[in-house]
Amino acid sequence: GNSVTQMEGPVTLSEEAFLTINCTYTATGYPSLFWYVQYPGEGLQLLLKATKADDKGSNKGFEATYRKETTSFHLEKGSVQVSDSAVYFCALSYMDSNYQLIWGAGTKLIIKP
Amino acid sequence: SQTIHQWPATLVQPVGSPLSLECTVEGTSNPNLYWYRQAAGRGLQLLFYSVGIGQISSEVPQNLSASRPQDRQFILSSKKLLLSDSGFYLCAWSVQGSGAYNEQFFGPGTRLTVL
Repeated sequence: GNSVTQMEGPVTLSEEAFLTINCTYTATGYPSLFWYVQYPGEGLQLLLKATKADDKGSNKGFEATYRKETTSFHLEKGSVQVSDSAVYFCALSYMDSNYQLIWGAGTKLIIKP
Repeated sequence: SQTIHQWPATLVQPVGSPLSLECTVEGTSNPNLYWYRQAAGRGLQLLFYSVGIGQISSEVPQNLSASRPQDRQFILSSKKLLLSDSGFYLCAWSVQGSGAYNEQFFGPGTRLTVL
């Protein structure tokens, strides 16, 4: 079946460090892929998305490229800030799941000043 | 623009008491609606989703139920709360028929503590 696997957290980095949060998926065909962010005590917000292979989603300095050959959608940012501390969720949407979002477990990111 | 509201923001209830959480969406018609639960430090668990008034699909058997009495209103209920019902409850909506572009928009959540 369809599934999403994220790297376990927490991930702790210093301010201005380079960030990578790994996400791989299992699905046949061409799912849409998403990254959501959840700041402490809040609901989730869409961070970026990609709907076909080789698409790059980007927002707020974050980027992720849809890699079908490696079934991956890794989240990257060149220089993180303390305000990026949050939980990041990778998700996919695919017709076999009736287009429901299939969620990864989330990765908690802690940025230290 | 579309907005989604949830209330209450926080709730502390004794075991065995009833529950009613409400979610409303403004600025859109005929949305898909979702209830999720997030246990402390855990990922998201889809509880219910609805594609229209009175149409509810349950993902996980439990002592919770959901109803959609109006197009943009989604209610999560329980007759008797359990300790394990504690968590952060999130309501979300998406555009009907958006297919694979099923971006979901989340409310601010309700923090439920069952004592």
